[in-house]
Amino acid sequence: EAEVAQSPRYKITEKSQAVAFWCDPISGHATLYWYRQILGQGPELLVQFQDESVVDDSQLPKDRFSAERLKGVDSTLKIQPAELGDSAMYLCASSFHRTETQYFGPGTRLLVL
Amino acid sequence: DAKTTQPPSMDCAEGRAANLPCNHSTISGNEYVYWYRQIHSQGPQYIIHGLKNNETNEMASLIITEDRKSSTLILPHATLRDTAVYYCIVRSRRLNNYGQNFVFGPGTRLSVLP
Repeated sequence: EAEVAQSPRYKITEKSQAVAFWCDPISGHATLYWYRQILGQGPELLVQFQDESVVDDSQLPKDRFSAERLKGVDSTLKIQPAELGDSAMYLCASSFHRTETQYFGPGTRLLVL
Repeated sequence: DAKTTQPPSMDCAEGRAANLPCNHSTISGNEYVYWYRQIHSQGPQYIIHGLKNNETNEMASLIITEDRKSSTLILPHATLRDTAVYYCIVRSRRLNNYGQNFVFGPGTRLSVLP
C-alpha cells in the first residue's frame, strides 16, 4: 500500500539554527499539505500545494517558515531561524485531488533547545 | 475553529464495541463527516467518511443521524491496538471550495482496557 514518506523522523536543533523537513507524497497525488501539531492538540494546517503552486499559506509564519514543491512532487518545509516554540510534530499529507481524502505521513518530531 | 464536538476521553473493554460520538450540529448539505485516528507519536490514520448514509469498511462503521447533526464511529471488536485519539471532522468536497480544509479539534482519547 502506497504511503507518504517523511524525513527525518526526529530532529533536535538549537534555537536560531535552520531546519528542513522533506515529504514525498503518494504517487499521483496532486495536493500536498503540511501540518504542525503541538503536543496535546490536533494538527493545524500550515500550507497547501496544488501541484507546484501554493493555494493556501494563510497560517504559515512567513517570517521564518518557507515551503516549496518545485516539480509538483516532493516538498520541503524550512524553518529559519528556529525558535523554542517551534517544537512540535510536523506532518505531511497528500490527496489525489484537493476534495479527496488526505493520507498522512509518519511525521517529523522537532525539538528546539 | 473545529465544527465538531467530541468527548475528551472514553474507555472501552477489549473485545467489546467502541462507540465514539460526534456532534456537528452546524453541518451543511455538502459537508462530509470524516474520521481519523492517531496512535501515539504516529501520523493520523484515515478510518472512514460519509455524507448521509451509513458506511462500513474493514476498520469501522459510521452511523450518521437522519438530520446529519451527529454521528457515531463504531469499532465492533476493540483491541488494545485501537487505543488512540480519534478525530471527527466535517469538510466540504465541492470542487470550487478552496480553503475548506480539515480542521482538527482535540478529538476523543479512547483507551481500550484489557
